[in-house]
Amino acid sequence: QSALTQPASVSGSPGQSITISCTGTGSDVGAYDYVSWYQQHPGKAPKLIIYDVTNRPSGVSNRFSGSKSGNTASLTISGLQAEDEAIYYCSSYTRSTTLGFGTGTSVTV
Amino acid sequence: QVQLQESGPGLVKPSQTLSLTCTVSGDSINSGGFYWSWIRQHPGKGLEWIGYMYYSGRTYYNPSLKGRVTISGDTSKNQFSLKLSSVTAADTAVYYCARDLAGATAGVGYFQLWGQGIMVIVSS
Repeated sequence: QSALTQPASVSGSPGQSITISCTGTGSDVGAYDYVSWYQQHPGKAPKLIIYDVTNRPSGVSNRFSGSKSGNTASLTISGLQAEDEAIYYCSSYTRSTTLGFGTGTSVTV
Repeated sequence: QVQLQESGPGLVKPSQTLSLTCTVSGDSINSGGFYWSWIRQHPGKGLEWIGYMYYSGRTYYNPSLKGRVTISGDTSKNQFSLKLSSVTAADTAVYYCARDLAGATAGVGYFQLWGQGIMVIVSS
């Protein structure tokens, strides 16, 4: 079970938009719309910010948006703020009835 | 308000069995519809799904853990547990318990509620 591939780091200036990619295969990201994204600040548990590729849980800022094309999912953070500095992980359901996480992307503002 | 809290030893000797418990408050583990999960994070590394238990008791595990994992529930205490056998230093990690997002498809990795995590070190 291989981890989904994410860029190690992405940076942007306050107010800008950034996009984080999550590349899987036809057995996970490409096979299902069960893609989610998590935000993790140091020393804290991850927080779910996107599910079903594009949906936001209640209370999550609309500056976070998700999309998918083929085997690659993406998370876009618009209007970048200092509080967005964190590590972001994608996750996908897989054909083998398991769950995989991405390698993680450190976002610097 | 639903809360999850991990508990267990913070130090386990190599070759022994790691045992952790997640106590759930504000919800019942057999109320139906949710998967109750264990996830771990090696120091400075990414997340790894360990497995989960459905309220009916059915379980699913990460095949990479090669049969060392058992997740079970105790409805009388409203807890679910993780047992990981034959541990090595590679099992040193922060272990989290988690629950699905309410109102969404269950069992597909939408972990809405998390415990604070418990650090477990495997060392002699």
